[in-house]
Amino acid sequence: KNQVEQSPQSLIILEGKNCTLQCNYTVSPFSNLRWYKQDTGRGPVSLTIMTFSENTKSNGRYTATLDADTKQSSLHITASQLSDSASYICVVSTGANNLFFGTGTRLTVIP
Amino acid sequence: GAVVSQHPSRVICKSGTSVKIECRSLDFQATTMFWYRQFPKQSLMLMATSNEGSKATYEQGVEKDKFLINHASLTLSTLTVTSAHPEDSSFYICSARDHLTGFETDTQYFGPGTRLTVL
Repeated sequence: KNQVEQSPQSLIILEGKNCTLQCNYTVSPFSNLRWYKQDTGRGPVSLTIMTFSENTKSNGRYTATLDADTKQSSLHITASQLSDSASYICVVSTGANNLFFGTGTRLTVIP
Repeated sequence: GAVVSQHPSRVICKSGTSVKIECRSLDFQATTMFWYRQFPKQSLMLMATSNEGSKATYEQGVEKDKFLINHASLTLSTLTVTSAHPEDSSFYICSARDHLTGFETDTQYFGPGTRLTVL
């Protein structure tokens, strides 16, 4: 069964600290994996996309990693800011826009 | 970058009425648009895939007569929730695939969502 699991479900960190979010998937075949940021009451916005051959991809303070062998990905946020408070969703595609969504990690950054 | 808009951003209606939600691709053409529903603290659930000029493809468990989808042009898809009931209250999000590059890049651009509350 194609599934995407994320951990932790929620996370609270102090402003300026780093954090790492996890994503494990069983989706097959694998085309790509994306991390999205979804602010409350808004649609998801893409942060990174990685294909099978890519191990890491950065977008500013966001760095995603992918281990296609173990089917795991992580999103590392450096020097967190209050505006990073949002849900972060891991999405795995089998191709042709067939997407499988994780349930997300709710990140709260406090001053 | 590619922009997808939705209108309205939020709507409150009485039980039994119908509500129409619009999804527009603003700077690209979208042969395919997708409609998702998201309940609180849950992830997005695909409801249907909308192809321009043809009937939508609904996911299992989604009533096509209740959620009417029309994709009459390359930049507009509409979702009509007919005879809405309180259990239809949810966050509805559309996404669009760029007709020129979307298939190869496997990219969907998401709209900002519409919050529907049925009283």
